[in-house]
Amino acid sequence: DTAVSQTPKYLVTQMGNDKSIKCEQNLGHDTMYWYKQDSKKFLKIMFSYNNKELIINETVPNRFSPKSPDKAHLNLHINSLELGDSAVYFCASSQDGQGVARYTFGSGTRLTVV
Amino acid sequence: AQSVTQLGSHVSVSEGALVLLRCNYSSSVPPYLFWYVQYPNQGLQLLLKYTTGATLVKGINGFEAEFKKSETSFHLTKPSAHMSDAAEYFCAVSGASNTGKLIFGQGTTLQVKP
Repeated sequence: DTAVSQTPKYLVTQMGNDKSIKCEQNLGHDTMYWYKQDSKKFLKIMFSYNNKELIINETVPNRFSPKSPDKAHLNLHINSLELGDSAVYFCASSQDGQGVARYTFGSGTRLTVV
Repeated sequence: AQSVTQLGSHVSVSEGALVLLRCNYSSSVPPYLFWYVQYPNQGLQLLLKYTTGATLVKGINGFEAEFKKSETSFHLTKPSAHMSDAAEYFCAVSGASNTGKLIFGQGTTLQVKP
């Protein structure tokens, strides 16, 4: 019955590889997000989608490409992984894209690039 | 533009003592304010939030926070700390114009000593 589920939970990969992280929510929310938590635990938004439409695209390298096949899914694909991409990536969803944000976060994907 | 500053990256209290975690914000629009808790290797759990109305907000696990517009603050308190409160705490701000984007503070690690 997990509300926002991310897979995989852990991902260890070599520099230069391409990897994807999947996110699914069963809350019926319209908006989904990707946040990155760096090694100093600082959290910053990367992207948000509302009903499959890109709403927020922060200054994220082009190697990161979100894909939303439907409003319940928001996947994150990363090309040519670099050491600095090592972080915990959190998916989230909210019922409203604006105004009151009723966020639900996933449990995170810990990406380690070696 | 919006920003959040959490004063004190580490706070240490004795079990049973008052917990006070400080958060100041900057916002050009009426803010929505949040406190999240993150236990080790886990996701983000909402403690409480302020949107409109009563400025004293009560949350889960005995925490509360007061929105003070004149001081641009949203400090988190708990009368009596438990060992289980040891975690990372994040203050965040959002607003109607931000399409649900959360801006996080840098986090405060709460240590509870027996």
